[in-house]
Amino acid sequence: GAVVSQHPSWVICKSGTSVKIECRSLDFQATTMFWYRQFPKQSLMLMATSNEGSKATYEQGVEKDKFLINHASLTLSTLTVTSAHPEDSSFYICSARPLLRVTYNEQFFGPGTRLTVL
Amino acid sequence: DQQVKQNSPSLSVQEGRISILNCDYTNSMFDYFLWYKKYPAEGPTFLISISSIKDKNEDGRFTVFLNKSAKHLSLHIVPSQPGDSAVYFCAASAELGNRDDKIIFGKGTRLHILP
Repeated sequence: GAVVSQHPSWVICKSGTSVKIECRSLDFQATTMFWYRQFPKQSLMLMATSNEGSKATYEQGVEKDKFLINHASLTLSTLTVTSAHPEDSSFYICSARPLLRVTYNEQFFGPGTRLTVL
Repeated sequence: DQQVKQNSPSLSVQEGRISILNCDYTNSMFDYFLWYKKYPAEGPTFLISISSIKDKNEDGRFTVFLNKSAKHLSLHIVPSQPGDSAVYFCAASAELGNRDDKIIFGKGTRLHILP
């Protein structure tokens, strides 16, 4: 099956620093990648949708200057949490929608990145 | 406003019995529904889906039922096995008509399979 990786799997950083999370589709090309965050016992909340070569579309309430998304190629998207604060601590998950897919909204999820901001 | 609702945060079922997970939705534009399974510290994995043109889809031990008039769907797992213990997310999207990129998730139901 299609594999999506995320790096790092977990990260601890000091308040005020920036953290970059990578999302890669390993065996397929992805036209669109999605970034989600999940708080404990909560749903996966979509943060933004990124299409290769264009600006990301952010969901209402998500600060685009704080969560910088770059989708430089059909296999890589990055999420940078700038000037991280403790309230940014969360589980961040990406998903990738294949260029060739069975259904329109077929997505494959990465394993997630646990971010803890001290 | 939650467009996809899973009102049971957790469910415990004896091994070998049937597990029934429920989901309600409010957006009538949704026409494609998915169930994902998630283990702790892992990303969700796709389990089964159903299009709004159907009312039932079966894949091995997993069956999803859709009641469009009630805006309700359910996932049946039979027989339940220990490895089924996980969080199950119901999700919905608009594949046709008002096509949208997004998958909207419910809050999940934690299923415990008891030995």
